[in-house]
Amino acid sequence: DAKTTQPPSMDCAEGRAANLPCNHSTISGNEYVYWYRQIHSQGPQYIIHGLKNNETNEMASLIITEDRKSSTLILPHATLRDTAVYYCIVRVAPNTDKLIFGTGTRLQVFP
Amino acid sequence: DTAVSQTPKYLVTQMGNDKSIKCEQNLGHDTMYWYKQDSKKFLKIMFSYNNKELIINETVPNRFSPKSPDKAHLNLHINSLELGDSAVYFCASSPRTHLSGNTIYFGEGSWLTVV
Repeated sequence: DAKTTQPPSMDCAEGRAANLPCNHSTISGNEYVYWYRQIHSQGPQYIIHGLKNNETNEMASLIITEDRKSSTLILPHATLRDTAVYYCIVRVAPNTDKLIFGTGTRLQVFP
Repeated sequence: DTAVSQTPKYLVTQMGNDKSIKCEQNLGHDTMYWYKQDSKKFLKIMFSYNNKELIINETVPNRFSPKSPDKAHLNLHINSLELGDSAVYFCASSPRTHLSGNTIYFGEGSWLTVV
């Protein structure tokens, strides 16, 4: 199973870009990288996912290195409401639905 | 309308009791899940159902019994509750299995406290 490594915590000033790194050096060729976040006392929320190419949606951008061993989630203009735990997840195996959550990165956005 | 809804949101009960948590999704998804988040905030999958059929059953005590009357509902029944069952239980759903890229939508959680 591909493992992910994330820093335990990060700070970001409101209005600045938040760049959250994730290492997944054992990822296999057909595994996707997913990002979820969990705001305090709420259920996890899907943010974005990708396989090889960089991806962007209304919430964030996902940059995946060419060797796919690491990725970065970018929140372009962080707000206080983005304070949450961010999870980088690699699917356990193709064609299964099991997501394994690690300890994530606690992002604190400050005014 | 809430996409994945679970009830009750808070539940305090005594050891040895039997309790149920209900979950419903109105997204038309085929697959539903139960996850458990313990006091250390680790989030782990417990069960997964696809069209009422059990497809994932992690190492969970058999005191936990999921029931799926239809694909929009997945209830969790817990017998003989123990102190260690205290946790937040999240229901979730996703549109389909066996296709890479499907995303999972979570409910707001049910806070279970066993005293």
